[in-house]
Amino acid sequence: AQSVSQHNHHVILSEAASLELGCNYSYGGTVNLFWYVQYPGQHLQLLLKYFSGDPLVKGIKGFEAEFIKSKFSFNLRKPSVQWSDTAEYFCAANNNDMRFGAGTRLTVKP
Amino acid sequence: SQTIHQWPATLVQPVGSPLSLECTVEGTSNPNLYWYRQAAGRGLQLLFYSVGIGQISSEVPQNLSASRPQDRQFILSSKKLLLSDSGFYLCAWSPSAASPLHFGNGTRLTVT
Repeated sequence: AQSVSQHNHHVILSEAASLELGCNYSYGGTVNLFWYVQYPGQHLQLLLKYFSGDPLVKGIKGFEAEFIKSKFSFNLRKPSVQWSDTAEYFCAANNNDMRFGAGTRLTVKP
Repeated sequence: SQTIHQWPATLVQPVGSPLSLECTVEGTSNPNLYWYRQAAGRGLQLLFYSVGIGQISSEVPQNLSASRPQDRQFILSSKKLLLSDSGFYLCAWSPSAASPLHFGNGTRLTVT
């Protein structure tokens, strides 16, 4: 069955630390990949997406993600996190059936 | 511009009662439509999706059903609610599989 898995349930970092959140997908054929962020009390917002072309995708707020087809991965990165990045992050894959990972809660300590 | 409407925002229903949550999209045609349930620590669980009228895909065996009576209307239903149906339900749409989702404001359902 098609699925998306996120390796980290809760990540705690200090400000200025680098971030990498893992995401793996299990889909056959063409798949479109997304990262969403949900700040406390708010709706999901799109951070970035990949559907073709350059496998390194840049999104909003300094986030980027790399699509590695051979590893079925789409990890999210940010070189230097800020306290305001504290939120829950969701990876998603779509082939008309947008599926989400369980999410990774990121806490950034000031 | 496109907008999505989902109602009601909150709902308290007794066990065994029926359910009907509605979602409509304006300003587009033939959208992909989705119903999710969001639970803490479990992300968004895909319940149903539809790529066109009369085409409903069900993801999880459960007490719920979905219908798409019109191109831009997506309804989540139950004949008899269970306590375990309590949760936060989100409707969403996208123009295609390569596009991000646009979410409704959600419905907080409490089954008592």
